[in-house]
Amino acid sequence: DQQVKQNSPSLSVQEGRISILNCDYTNSMFDYFLWYKKYPAEGPTFLISISSIKDKNEDGRFTVFLNKSAKHLSLHIVPSQPGDSAVYFCAALGKGGSNYKLTFGKGTLLTVNP
Amino acid sequence: SQTIHQWPATLVQPVGSPLSLECTVEGTSNPNLYWYRQAAGRGLQLLFYSVGIGQISSEVPQNLSASRPQDRQFILSSKKLLLSDSGFYLCAWRGAAWGTEAFFGQGTRLTVV
Repeated sequence: DQQVKQNSPSLSVQEGRISILNCDYTNSMFDYFLWYKKYPAEGPTFLISISSIKDKNEDGRFTVFLNKSAKHLSLHIVPSQPGDSAVYFCAALGKGGSNYKLTFGKGTLLTVNP
Repeated sequence: SQTIHQWPATLVQPVGSPLSLECTVEGTSNPNLYWYRQAAGRGLQLLFYSVGIGQISSEVPQNLSASRPQDRQFILSSKKLLLSDSGFYLCAWRGAAWGTEAFFGQGTRLTVV
């Protein structure tokens, strides 16, 4: 079963507009969430994270929102730039003994058009 | 600073041949180590993770195995490769503390022919 879900395989946005990438999770033991960006033939790079005690974390153009009751998080990129075009992965870590297992979603391909 | 090395970058192997991919981490001790696979058009599938020397957790029953002979060395192996083993393999490490991010190697593109 897939515990971290990214239901949109792709998203296309105009340069300068907002990109919103969504992620849902099913495991209530998850308490730390991360977003990664990946270019083809490279390893993912860490973007931003959020713990379950917060509902928002911001870093420059990137903001992650967490809605625990809905088991939903989103990544906002404002303004979007062509260099943001990549696959974005949502990932989650659990509490206690589950803290070791880093589970990823299937990713969303973001295309930012000039 | 910490660095992660993964090799080789690309590999073409015939069906039935053995496999050994190596990953090493520098600049940290007692890291959590991970092997992921990204099949064509799919997400990152966790294959194995390790919280210490000789401690391996397997996530998916498959044709692969992992070993951690040293604190900062993680090896992915197979005795006989299948066509379905083709994919992009990624090694990652993270600190043992709660709420730390993982850092990935550059990956190995494995094509089984």
